Formats: sequence, C-alpha cells, structure tokens
Amino acid sequence: EVQLVESGGGLVQPGRSLKLSCAASGFTFSNYYMAWVRQAPKKGLEWVATISTSGSRTYYPDSVKGRFTISRDNAKSSLYLQMNSLKSEDTATYYCARHGATRVPNWFAYWGQGTLVTVSS
Amino acid sequence: DIQMTQSPSSLPASLGERVTISCRASQGISNNLNWYQQKPDGTIKPLIYYTSNLQSGVPSRFSGSGSGTDYSLTISSLEPEDFAMYYCQQDASFPYTFGAGTKLELK
Repeated sequence: EVQLVESGGGLVQPGRSLKLSCAASGFTFSNYYMAWVRQAPKKGLEWVATISTSGSRTYYPDSVKGRFTISRDNAKSSLYLQMNSLKSEDTATYYCARHGATRVPNWFAYWGQGTLVTVSS
Repeated sequence: DIQMTQSPSSLPASLGERVTISCRASQGISNNLNWYQQKPDGTIKPLIYYTSNLQSGVPSRFSGSGSGTDYSLTISSLEPEDFAMYYCQQDASFPYTFGAGTKLELK
C-alpha cells in the first residue's frame, strides 16, 4: 500500500524558514517523480513543486520560485521542501504527492494527509 | 500559464441523481486533464486521469470525457459518499494548474 506521511509543519514568523519532510513507502520511490501541492485555508489547490526521479530536474510556479527548494533522498525514500523567506500567503496545508506513471510528471496519483504551515508573527 | 475554469462552483443534487461538472482550459491541453475529490477532512482522492481513465478502486459511476479545451466529470447515480469538493487539473504543461473547485452538496 502506498503511504505518504508529511511532517515539519508548524507556526513560523514571516521571513523565516521551514523544512517539510515526506516519508514514502509501499512503492519504489526512485522510479517516480514527486511533488508538493498546497491549499490555503478555505481556498483551492495550488501546485508548488515537482522533482524528477534522480533529483536533477525541478519545477516551480512563479509564486515560490527562488524561495522554495524541493529535494529528495532516494536511499531514504524521502521528499523535502525547504521554504525560505516565508510570507503570510504561504500559510496552507502542504500535501506530498506522487506522480502517476514511472519517470513521467503526470497526474498526482497518491496524496499524503497534509501538514499545516502557518506564517504569522 | 493555462487557466482552468470549473463550473458550477456549487451543485446541489439528490441521491441517485446524475450530475456533470465542467472544466474549461484557456488553451488546448490534449486530454491532459485529471479529476480529484476532496472530503471535508482534507483527504484528497484521485478519480480520473488523462480525461477518462479511472484511478484504481474508483467506482464505475464516475466517468470523464472531453477534448481540446472542454472536459467534464459525470457521476451517474449519486451515493452519500460522493458529496464533496471536486477539482480538475491540467498536466499538459508547467505550471500545473487546478480549477477553483465544485462543491457537490445534498439538496
């Protein structure tokens, strides 16, 4: 059974940093692109980042480019999101997701339960 | 960026009813359109990928169709567990984008 378990969320002040983690199990982690998707309170879903199987390619929307960094450790089956220069508009539940097919960044086939990040002074 | 416009934003419906949710892309996305269901506790469940392919374990009352810029999700006969939020999403090109969502609620 595929499982994705996020951790690392919490309350952080504007301008500070936070690092999220996602522990994956139930599949061959190194074969799949991985992603982070977020949802601000009472809002819709927003894709935040995607990383290739080896970690050599990363993709971001303009809203987080230059501030967020996605990374992975295939030996530990773990995904990370380093978030710097946090803003109040980054307040959201952050979901770890696995892309659907091997070696292709297509649909989000599996999702974690999410971890809440609150950016506030 | 490709904008995804979902309609309606709210859809009151009854048990057993057939409903359709629409999603329009701002440009052609070549069937690279997916659907997700979100329950009030935040749990997100993928339903359909590449326009019409059911994710494993999804009941056959769910179906998807469309082409070009216009796509739809149909539930043939509503069950109690179907009342939730639904989102469309394109993976034709980065940045991947979602529709604003449709709240399917009990009439």
